[in-house]
Amino acid sequence: AQRVTQPEKLLSVFKGAPVELKCNYSYSGSPELFWYVQYSRQRLQLLLRHISRESIKGFTADLNKGETSFHLKKPFAQEEDSAMYYCALKVPPGGSYIPTFGRGTSLIVHP
Amino acid sequence: GAGVSQSPSNKVTEKGKDVELRCDPISGHTALYWYRQSLGQGLEFLIYFQGNSAPDKSGLPSDRFSAERTGGSVSTLTIQRTQQEDSAVYLCASTSGRGGNSPLHFGNGTRLTVT
Repeated sequence: AQRVTQPEKLLSVFKGAPVELKCNYSYSGSPELFWYVQYSRQRLQLLLRHISRESIKGFTADLNKGETSFHLKKPFAQEEDSAMYYCALKVPPGGSYIPTFGRGTSLIVHP
Repeated sequence: GAGVSQSPSNKVTEKGKDVELRCDPISGHTALYWYRQSLGQGLEFLIYFQGNSAPDKSGLPSDRFSAERTGGSVSTLTIQRTQQEDSAVYLCASTSGRGGNSPLHFGNGTRLTVT
């Protein structure tokens, strides 16, 4: 079965510092990967997906099949980035349509 | 248009009572998911509905948990004889189609507290 690991429960940085939220997955094929974010008192929402190769709010994530990782990065963290971040994996058609989520990483950006 | 709507937003119940949680997905979304969000546990999959197919119940933690989806739209998650360990935020999400790139649209959740 597929699995998503986010090794850090909490990541604390100062404003302007680089940030990297780690995500590793276990799946032998080519997965589809997502990052979801939950800001305080807001619903969980999509941040970005690997297939789009996009940068959202300054965040990027690159799929590394060799390391089975999909780490989320931002070069200069902002206070408004403070939130809970979840990495999610969905296998292509033919497998499960049920996204598997990691346990989440709480990012706190100090002023 | 309107997003995924869940009710109630908060529910406090006594141990042993039954509860019903409701989810209104985005109109036209054929897939509906229930997840449970607990501190330190992340999002735990409970059940998945896709169109008129039989639901995938593989994530339900015990037979006290059940869910229905009527008319391919509204879904109700029922927890019978609630226990304190059932306390969590219950999230509903919907998505269009089965495509791998279809992101999930979440509701605000129902915070369940079992006393």
